[in-house]
Amino acid sequence: DQQVKQNSPSLSVQEGRISILNCDYTNSMFDYFLWYKKYPAEGPTFLISISSIKDKNEDGRFTVFLNKSAKHLSLHIVPSQPGDSAVYFCAASGQGGSEKLVFGKGTKLTVNP
Amino acid sequence: EAGVAQSPRYKIIEKRQSVAFWCNPISGHATLYWYQQILGQGPKLLIQFQNNGVVDDSQLPKDRFSAERLKGVDSTLKIQPAKLEDSAVYLCASSPPGVHQPQHFGDGTRLSIL
Repeated sequence: DQQVKQNSPSLSVQEGRISILNCDYTNSMFDYFLWYKKYPAEGPTFLISISSIKDKNEDGRFTVFLNKSAKHLSLHIVPSQPGDSAVYFCAASGQGGSEKLVFGKGTKLTVNP
Repeated sequence: EAGVAQSPRYKIIEKRQSVAFWCNPISGHATLYWYQQILGQGPKLLIQFQNNGVVDDSQLPKDRFSAERLKGVDSTLKIQPAKLEDSAVYLCASSPPGVHQPQHFGDGTRLSIL
């Protein structure tokens, strides 16, 4: 049973445009959500997070939106750059008070020059 | 700040052999995690340590996997005997004290079982 779902395996956008990556979760106990970026042969790198008490968090070109009623979060990257090309993982924690991260399968973003 | 260090980067063994991975977390990070990432999947938690005590090992296949974190710093993950389905990247992560702190990952060990 997959508790964190990223339904788009891949996404392709033009440089300078907006990239929107989506994530859905099923467990209402999750209260902390994170996005990680992963380049080939490297470990995941923390990008941005959001607590369930907020609905938006912004850090430079990256913004995460959380819709608790829909159990949905999204990552917006504006403007997209070729260096943003990577696999993006959505993760959630807080189930039963645990800090354990539950990951989605990832979305491969390609930003074309 | 030095990141999470893992070794080796790559390991190839035959099934039924044993293998060990090493992790050195970021200095001051009390919590250490081992994840398994199978190709095409997200990382899955195997075990979580708080200092040198186990917090969560519910998804660790204890008949073949073991992990320890002596002295609350470095950690070792061992597989004995290895099976074909253990082929994966093994990631170590650490996080600082406090609630809802982001985990920082090492580059992982890619294990191939022949």
